[in-house]
Amino acid sequence: KAGVTQTPRYLIKTRGQQVTLSCSPISGHRSVSWYQQTPGQGLQFLFEYFSETQRNKGNFPGRFSGRQFSNSRSEMNVSTLELGDSALYLCASSLGDTNNEQFFGPGTRLTVL
Amino acid sequence: AQSVTQPDIHITVSEGASLELRCNYSYGATPYLFWYVQSPGQGLQLLLKYFSGDTLVQGIKGFEAEFKRSQSSFNLRKPSVHWSDAAEYFCAVGALRNTDKLIFGTGTRLQVFP
Repeated sequence: KAGVTQTPRYLIKTRGQQVTLSCSPISGHRSVSWYQQTPGQGLQFLFEYFSETQRNKGNFPGRFSGRQFSNSRSEMNVSTLELGDSALYLCASSLGDTNNEQFFGPGTRLTVL
Repeated sequence: AQSVTQPDIHITVSEGASLELRCNYSYGATPYLFWYVQSPGQGLQLLLKYFSGDTLVQGIKGFEAEFKRSQSSFNLRKPSVHWSDAAEYFCAVGALRNTDKLIFGTGTRLQVFP
């Protein structure tokens, strides 16, 4: 069974631009969560989607948004990029039930210049 | 609010030595606890998890962890470290018992000397 895939793996943008990151979960998984990893703030939860609905949300500004499609694939979008948005963005998928395990993708490394 | 503390930012051990990585959590009820490992340029791999039951949990790669409610701890151990264990280790708790929203500690970087 294929793991969680994220595209692109690396991305360079400039301040003020917007970016869209993609995540394909493990087949059969209905929950997709997004995390931001930075040296200063560590791993922080962004949001989680389950069956095309946002089920959980972290404490990030509205510039960070996401969506999930009927095939469970998910995208996250960051608008009006700031230098501080430079980070590794990790996607994780799970079955979405209670007591389940999240499987993480390799991440997308975003650099904002 | 739930939180996770990993007191050790960086640990160095010799290959073959034993290892213990510390993790303390703050949570009102019995938490869902996890240990993940991250190698450079990679995502996170689950080592082990605790939901309930036996407080000593066995994981992959020879790791184990013990849940101690009285100390609010979930320390990770390995009796003999291999050079390939060098990586960053993260302890996490499921927020409000929601395993799809994890709160992570700041991580412990493990360096292994031959």
